[in-house]
Amino acid sequence: AQSVTQLGSHVSVSEGALVLLRCNYSSSVPPYLFWYVQYPNQGLQLLLKYTTGATLVKGINGFEAEFKKSETSFHLTKPSAHMSDAAEYFCAVSFAFSGGYQKVTFGTGTKLQVIP
Amino acid sequence: KAGVTQTPRYLIKTRGQQVTLSCSPISGHRSVSWYQQTPGQGLQFLFEYFSETQRNKGNFPGRFSGRQFSNSRSEMNVSTLELGDSALYLCASSLGGPRDLAVKYRNEQFFGPGTRLTVL
Repeated sequence: AQSVTQLGSHVSVSEGALVLLRCNYSSSVPPYLFWYVQYPNQGLQLLLKYTTGATLVKGINGFEAEFKKSETSFHLTKPSAHMSDAAEYFCAVSFAFSGGYQKVTFGTGTKLQVIP
Repeated sequence: KAGVTQTPRYLIKTRGQQVTLSCSPISGHRSVSWYQQTPGQGLQFLFEYFSETQRNKGNFPGRFSGRQFSNSRSEMNVSTLELGDSALYLCASSLGGPRDLAVKYRNEQFFGPGTRLTVL
């Protein structure tokens, strides 16, 4: 069975500081990994994804994540936080069964607060 | 390309009533998934439809049901509403099919803005 653990339901950083949101996964087969962001009263927006290939993935808004198979991690980082980054972030793991059927499992989310 | 649309955006119902929510996926997407999001339980998977067939289901009671039409639009129905059904209901679409491009694109989900359901 696959699962996702996000460490820290709330993270606070100062504007301009490094953002690090942690995600660990469990999957019995090679996973596809995603980070989504949700702003208040909106749906989820894809930030970045890892499927195959390069393990360092760059996404929108200056975010990036590195797939580390040995650590079963996919942590999200951004070198310098902006006020507009304040939102809730979700890590998700997915894999495709034969025939294209997919099962996506989301983490519990991390709310990022950016302090001016 | 238009994104995923959900209607209505906001809904207020009373206990015991039933409600139908609608989701129109991105053109060309054949998979539609539904999620319930609440502050206490987070994001919980309800079910997924592909080509008018439910192919995956979460752990929700039978009061929650859905269907998908031939144009891939999907509806979700909740009967006999309870206070605990108050939530943001999110719909997500994806390509989803075995012959849809490469596998790496099949699982990418695109979310709608959600329907905020309040049960009084």
